Amino acid sequence: QVQFVESGGGVVQPGSSLRLSCGPSGFTFPKAGMHWVRLAPGKGLEWVAFIWSDGSSEYYADSVKGRFTISRDNSKNTLYLQMNSLRAEDTAVYYCAKDKGVRYIDYWGQGILVTVSS
Amino acid sequence: EIVLTQSPATLSLSPGERATLSCRASQSVDTSLAWYQQKPGQAPRLLIYDASTRATGIPARFSGSGSGTDFTLTISSLEPEDFAVYFCQQRSNWPLTFGPGTKVDIK
Repeated sequence: QVQFVESGGGVVQPGSSLRLSCGPSGFTFPKAGMHWVRLAPGKGLEWVAFIWSDGSSEYYADSVKGRFTISRDNSKNTLYLQMNSLRAEDTAVYYCAKDKGVRYIDYWGQGILVTVSS
Repeated sequence: EIVLTQSPATLSLSPGERATLSCRASQSVDTSLAWYQQKPGQAPRLLIYDASTRATGIPARFSGSGSGTDFTLTISSLEPEDFAVYFCQQRSNWPLTFGPGTKVDIK
C-alpha cells in the first residue's frame, strides 16, 4: 500500500523559508518521478514542481521558479521542497505525489498545510 | 503555458442522474489529459488518463472522451460518493496545468 509521511509545514512570515519533506513507502522510490502540487484556500489545484527519478532534471511552475527547489535523496527515500522568499499567496496545502510514469499523478499524500502570514 | 478551463463551475444533480463535465485547453494537448476527483479534506484521486483510460479500480460509470482541445468526463449514474470536485490536468507541455475544477453537488 502506497503511503506518504509528510512533514515541515507551519505558519511563517512573508519572506521566510521552509522545507517540506515527504517519505513515501509502498513503491520503489528511486524509480519514480515525484511532484509537489498545492491547493490554496478557495482555489483549484496548482502543480508546483517535478523531479525525475534519478534527480537529473526538475521542472517548476512559473509562480515558484527561482524561489522553490525540489530535490530528493534516494538513499533516504525522501523528497524535499525548499521554499524561500515565501509570500502570502503561497499559503496552501502542499501535496507530495508520485508520477505515474508519464506526467500524470497516481498517488497523493494527505497534504501539509503551509500558512504565510504576518 | 496551456490554460485549462472547466465548465460548469458547479453542477447540481441528484443521485442516479448523469453528469457531464467539460474541460477545454487553450491549445491542443492531443489526448494527454487526465481527470481527478477530490473530496473535502482528502487527497485527489486519479480517475481517467490519456483522455479515456480509466485508472486502476475506477468504476465503469466514469468515462472520459475527447482529443485536441475539448474533453468530457461523464458519470453515467451518480452515486452518493461521487459528489466532489473534479479537476482536469494536461501533461502535454511543461508546466503541467490543472483546470479550476467543477464541483458536483447534491441538488
